[in-house]
Amino acid sequence: QKEVEQNSGPLSVPEGAIASLNCTYSDRGSQSFFWYRQYSGKSPELIMSIYSNGDKEDGRFTAQLNKASQYVSLLIRDSQPSDSATYLCAVKNGAGNQFYFGTGTSLTVIP
Amino acid sequence: ETGVTQTPRHLVMGMTNKKSLKCEQHLGHNAMYWYKQSAKKPLELMFVYSLEERVENNSVPSRFSPECPNSSHLFLHLHTLQPEDSALYLCASSQDRHTSTEAFFGQGTRLTVV
Repeated sequence: QKEVEQNSGPLSVPEGAIASLNCTYSDRGSQSFFWYRQYSGKSPELIMSIYSNGDKEDGRFTAQLNKASQYVSLLIRDSQPSDSATYLCAVKNGAGNQFYFGTGTSLTVIP
Repeated sequence: ETGVTQTPRHLVMGMTNKKSLKCEQHLGHNAMYWYKQSAKKPLELMFVYSLEERVENNSVPSRFSPECPNSSHLFLHLHTLQPEDSALYLCASSQDRHTSTEAFFGQGTRLTVV
């Protein structure tokens, strides 16, 4: 079983603050890493993908990858109440045909 | 029609019933997945089809039976389910062998077994 681990939270941050979400994975052969957001009762939607070491920024979101440490993170700047959701870390295996998901981190942004 | 579509959105069934979940993708992908999502648990991969061939079956009980007639359609046939099978069932599609392609999810079917 390929493991992806996240802190389940809940994580609470005030509006306007930076939310930091972390994820570790066990399969060193993993090539692709994704962050999904899932609102209650809805399906996951992709917000970020990252494939190489370093940072990738998209608007208020920054994904960080460190393959040596098998660690991937998501930073949300200027957090908004609408960011309140569960964030799922997903890892795609080296063969490119399976996704493994963490349990998700519940984020609440307090107005 | 765009993306990944699942029907029905909600399903209540008795333990002796037989029902099917349907998934259809309009993204031109060649891989489709069934996931089960229960409260407080990670998404559990149930089945993977790549080019209409089943490539993964994660020890799923035989009361769940998948069918993939073509690359755009995926079914999950259900029979003699148990109450613990109540969960959100998510279908996803992706481009197999392309590590940079993410999974796109349908809206899910909320299944309740009574």
